[in-house]
Amino acid sequence: EDQVTQSPEALRLQEGESSSLNCSYTVSGLRGLFWYRQDPGKGPEFLFTLYSAGEEKEKERLKATLTKKESFLHITAPKPEDSATYLCAVQGGAAGNKLTFGGGTRVLVKP
Amino acid sequence: EPEVTQTPSHQVTQMGQEVILRCVPISNHLYFYWYRQILGQKVEFLVSFYNNEISEKSEIFDDQFSVERPDGSNFTLKIRSTKLEDSAMYFCARGRIAGGLPYEQYFGPGTRLTVT
Repeated sequence: EDQVTQSPEALRLQEGESSSLNCSYTVSGLRGLFWYRQDPGKGPEFLFTLYSAGEEKEKERLKATLTKKESFLHITAPKPEDSATYLCAVQGGAAGNKLTFGGGTRVLVKP
Repeated sequence: EPEVTQTPSHQVTQMGQEVILRCVPISNHLYFYWYRQILGQKVEFLVSFYNNEISEKSEIFDDQFSVERPDGSNFTLKIRSTKLEDSAMYFCARGRIAGGLPYEQYFGPGTRLTVT
């Protein structure tokens, strides 16, 4: 059974204070690892897909990296509008097409 | 790429009643999914639907649940006899296809279901 664990559960940052979110996973045959952003009461918004260890993706102040056991989402010089819950999900080869999500990291960026 | 739209945005129902949640894809896609998120908990997979058939379902998706694509466009999730524990946000998602395989999924805004 695929499993995803995210840490920390919550993160309070000052504007401009860079930090990293962790996503540890156990999956049978990783097809893809996905990062989403979720605002309160809204659906997850797709950010990145990572397919293999060593891969990196960037978008504005966000950078996602992948190893064989975990992924990191780095937030560089965050702004208050980066406040959200960041979700990590995996799609395993043995589990069909479903996404298995972690519990998320709630990020609050204070001005 | 555009996501999907979902109706209603909020549904309140009494325990034991049937509810139908609707998902309308912006364009024609083959892969659709339903997920739910109980308040404060993880997003959980319910069912995937490919080419008008269920391709995979979770243990949560028991006989109380069904999915249909009745008119070739709308995609519905029916809960036959709602329970208090069915209260959650329900998300529809569509899958992007590349090289014949599904990749990232794009989520709708969700329907908040409240069972009283």
